[in-house]
Amino acid sequence: AQKITQTQPGMFVQEKEAVTLDCTYDTSDQSYGLFWYKQPSSGEMIFLIYQGSYDEQNATEGRYSLNFQKARKSANLVISASQLGDSAMYFCAMREGAGGTSYGKLTFGQGTILTVHP
Amino acid sequence: DTGVSQDPRHKITKRGQNVTFRCDPISEHNRLYWYRQTLGQGPEFLTYFQNEAQLEKSRLLSDRFSAERPKGSFSTLEIQRTEQGDSAMYLCASSSADREGSPLHFGNGTRLTVT
Repeated sequence: AQKITQTQPGMFVQEKEAVTLDCTYDTSDQSYGLFWYKQPSSGEMIFLIYQGSYDEQNATEGRYSLNFQKARKSANLVISASQLGDSAMYFCAMREGAGGTSYGKLTFGQGTILTVHP
Repeated sequence: DTGVSQDPRHKITKRGQNVTFRCDPISEHNRLYWYRQTLGQGPEFLTYFQNEAQLEKSRLLSDRFSAERPKGSFSTLEIQRTEQGDSAMYLCASSSADREGSPLHFGNGTRLTVT
């Protein structure tokens, strides 16, 4: 079974509008973390936002927020006020467990390509 | 913070040749990771170093792959007897604090093409 599922291969949004990128995950661990990364066409992976499984509040970082629904095992990324520079591939990733190598051993989804139209 | 640096950016090699990639992590980071990303997929974990010790290797890392991190600074990833299936982007990442939210900082990757 897929540990991270991103069901939207591609998404389109109008500049200045908000967009939600979906991510569902599968784990039996009680302690885990969820990350979102952006990968522009240039190839670098840019960290956007993090949500820990025990965090009660949804994470926010500037225009990015994470809609964390633990019971549904979903961690959707919301980008507000989209900009042309937001056009990129977006990956959801999960860290399972706590301590040791788990902090950097991430399982990634297949990604969603976001295109922002002017 | 100069970021994670990888060299070369691109490598084209013929099947059967050996290749070596280098990664220079962010200087104060003691944790270093290698990932592999094929076209249209998310990155997959290959191996992890804490300082100079290689603490975990994925089953994706066959015997033809070897990674080192002498003195806990830069790291090299060598692929021997390359195969066409090795064609991918090889990403290096580093992280610092031993806390759960500490993000991985990725380099720009080395794109390997095996002909």
